[in-house]
Amino acid sequence: EPEVTQTPSHQVTQMGQEVILRCVPISNHLYFYWYRQILGQKVEFLVSFYNNEISEKSEIFDDQFSVERPDGSNFTLKIRSTKLEDSAMYFCADLGQGNTEAFFGQGTRLTVV
Amino acid sequence: SQQGEEDPQALSIQEGENATMNCSYKTSINNLQWYRQNSGRGLVHLILIRSNEREKHSGRLRVTLDTSKKSSSLLITASRAADTASYFCATDYNTDKLIFGTGTRLQVFP
Repeated sequence: EPEVTQTPSHQVTQMGQEVILRCVPISNHLYFYWYRQILGQKVEFLVSFYNNEISEKSEIFDDQFSVERPDGSNFTLKIRSTKLEDSAMYFCADLGQGNTEAFFGQGTRLTVV
Repeated sequence: SQQGEEDPQALSIQEGENATMNCSYKTSINNLQWYRQNSGRGLVHLILIRSNEREKHSGRLRVTLDTSKKSSSLLITASRAADTASYFCATDYNTDKLIFGTGTRLQVFP
């Protein structure tokens, strides 16, 4: 079964540092997403990406966040200057065309200290 | 906020019992999906039900959708300890993204 792969599984970073979270989506899928889940809380939409550009972003996705698909396969989320409150699980997801399920990666647990 | 609500927030049952979780949403949808999340792990897709469908089954799972009430339910029959997890509904609200509900934490005691 195809799967979405995220790396690293866990990242610890100092406050103010930049982090890049990586995702390898399913190869023929078109829509890519990042979600965030603060420990024990709800899964929150951050951003959607289609045709190599952001199609929608939430109010959480401020200027500190950016997404890229640098080489046509990997899909990255960059947090420019991390804050303590950025500590969360970050999930990458993708979606094929049509009315289908979203496939989620296993997540990256980001801990900002 | 478009976020749906789920109830109950937490549910504890014994193995062998059935577990029912409910999800309500706000506006029209193309589909509604249910996901499972073991503690600290990723989201696993369970079942998708389209807006023109009323009921779907997958193994021990049964999902219903009532678009007039903007609600869905997930029934897990003959529950097992391994079903212990959080369960989320997610809706698309006729967009290309999923909005997740608040989740139900299910604990199944052996």
